[in-house]
Amino acid sequence: DAKTTQPNSMESNEEEPVHLPCNHSTISGTDYIHWYRQLPSQGPEYVIHGLTSNVNNRMASLAIAEDRKSSTLILHRATLRDAAVYYCILRDVAGTASKLTFGTGTRLQVTL
Amino acid sequence: AAGVIQSPRHLIKEKRETATLKCYPIPRHDTVYWYQQGPGQDPQFLISFYEKMQSDKGSIPDRFSAQQFSDYHSELNMSSLELGDSALYFCASSHWGLGIGELFFGEGSRLTVL
Repeated sequence: DAKTTQPNSMESNEEEPVHLPCNHSTISGTDYIHWYRQLPSQGPEYVIHGLTSNVNNRMASLAIAEDRKSSTLILHRATLRDAAVYYCILRDVAGTASKLTFGTGTRLQVTL
Repeated sequence: AAGVIQSPRHLIKEKRETATLKCYPIPRHDTVYWYQQGPGQDPQFLISFYEKMQSDKGSIPDRFSAQQFSDYHSELNMSSLELGDSALYFCASSHWGLGIGELFFGEGSRLTVL
């Protein structure tokens, strides 16, 4: 599986935007970029995904570099409830039942 | 909306005992995944099933086995338990015909081996 690199931790103030970077220089043409997050004592949850174009949903935005070797998850206004570990994962959906391989994500701390 | 249900939520066992974890996927989901998360670790993929057949295998010990039944629920059987098996075990489900097949995780089963 192609690997991703993320900072171990980041801090943000509440109600400010947060930009979580991810490097994936060995991404292949069939890899989608997925973001999941894991709140304390909970299972991971889907945040957003994309292939080539920038994506927006109710939770976040995903900005993908033109060469696809990096991406940034954007939380527009961080809240205390966004404190979690954020995982950037490459997922080859060429086949069925493709698993997620979690690396070392970014632990986001949000303070008042 | 219905979520992935895992049982039991907590389980305490002695070394060398056997444990069984159950996972009930979201209705109409055809794929089940099992993950193990040790203390302070990231989730590690164990095994997955698609339409009741094993579809992928990760770092699952030989002491562990799993299957998916005709009603799509899955069970993870763990034998000869070791202290190092103490972890959170997550089950996730997905359906490739719905959306992009994102995984929906349960709340996990916490196994403590004494």
